[in-house]
Amino acid sequence: DVKVTQSSRYLVKRTGEKVFLECVQDMDHENMFWYRQDPGLGLRLIYFSYDVKMKEKGDIPEGYSVSREKKERFSLILESASTNQTSMYLCASTSRGPEQYFGPGTRLTVT
Amino acid sequence: AQRVTQPEKLLSVFKGAPVELKCNYSYSGSPELFWYVQYSRQRLQLLLRHISRESIKGFTADLNKGETSFHLKKPFAQEEDSAMYYCALSGSRDDKIIFGKGTRLHILP
Repeated sequence: DVKVTQSSRYLVKRTGEKVFLECVQDMDHENMFWYRQDPGLGLRLIYFSYDVKMKEKGDIPEGYSVSREKKERFSLILESASTNQTSMYLCASTSRGPEQYFGPGTRLTVT
Repeated sequence: AQRVTQPEKLLSVFKGAPVELKCNYSYSGSPELFWYVQYSRQRLQLLLRHISRESIKGFTADLNKGETSFHLKKPFAQEEDSAMYYCALSGSRDDKIIFGKGTRLHILP
């Protein structure tokens, strides 16, 4: 079974703080993705990565950055958190092929 | 432009009644279509994909290229079908998926 884990289920941060969301997968998948999930907006792709140290912008990369130093770990960074980044963040991974395996999500609240 | 449209935000259906969740897509090429499901307090997971032509948990979906649709159907709804359903499309070589905005299915007792 593919396992994708995320470092926190719930996170509360203050405006302006630097926030790190971690995602780890244990199936040696090449591709990893970060989405945010908002009611009425569905899933929107923030960033993705095809390999270590490689990253590509998704549809809504503004205000975010990512890091992939090891194949199994993909980090999402909010350089200066803002209230409009309050959301559910989902990480996913996939090997060769489009079926994605999702983590449990991190619900981030920025106050 | 690549797009997935789910016209219903919320669909309420009585237990035992037929279910149809609508999905239309826009893509210039041959896409692969999926349905993902998220049950309460569970992670998002793949329900079915059009190339497998399977029936999963009683659900089926047929790709209609003429109407560019991939509607999800089940003849008799069950209470455990209550969940959030996302239609999704993949067409590029980079394994990116485009998701629709989702439909919440609520099965009434």
